[in-house]
Amino acid sequence: AQKITQTQPGMFVQEKEAVTLDCTYDTSDPSYGLFWYKQPSSGEMIFLIYQGSYDQQNATEGRYSLNFQKARKSANLVISASQLGDSAMYFCAMRGNQAGTALIFGKGTTLSVSS
Amino acid sequence: DSGVTQTPKHLITATGQRVTLRCSPRSGDLSVYWYQQSLDQGLQFLIQYYNGEERAKGNILERFSAQQFPDLHSELNLSSLELGDSALYFCASSVEGVLNQPQHFGDGTRLSIL
Repeated sequence: AQKITQTQPGMFVQEKEAVTLDCTYDTSDPSYGLFWYKQPSSGEMIFLIYQGSYDQQNATEGRYSLNFQKARKSANLVISASQLGDSAMYFCAMRGNQAGTALIFGKGTTLSVSS
Repeated sequence: DSGVTQTPKHLITATGQRVTLRCSPRSGDLSVYWYQQSLDQGLQFLIQYYNGEERAKGNILERFSAQQFPDLHSELNLSSLELGDSALYFCASSVEGVLNQPQHFGDGTRLSIL
């Protein structure tokens, strides 16, 4: 069975600092995708970044990058130059490469950015 | 804006009642997923529809049912509501069969059972 583990319930960072949110996963699928979503206090789920299991390079999207270590089964999200608007809950999720495969989510990490 | 529309945004009702949550997927997306987010269970997959047909089931209670209509909008029906059904219900849509395509989420329906 697939499983996502996020061990940091809360993280605190100051503006302009970089922060790493941890995510480890477990799956027996040879092909899978890893996703990060942001959930602000308003409640919506915002897609941030994707990493495929066969991707050779770490994914990047603006200030977001994914530190993907396949052998360790980790997919940590790195946010560079934190902004106040980054304060939110962050979820790591994965899905296998089969039709009808839903996302499996971790429990999330609350990020608080202070000025 | 994700392009996924969910209505209503908020629902307040009583135990034993029945409610219907509605979702319109992004243009071109044939797959619709329903998720429940609660404090104790986190984000859980309920059910998926693809082009009108049920594709996969997750932790969906028998009191809950869903369907997807020919215009691809989907409805999640919750009946005999209990206090524990209070949660944020999300609909997400995606292009099926392409692993690197994310699921795009609606803003959710917050259901409160009194």
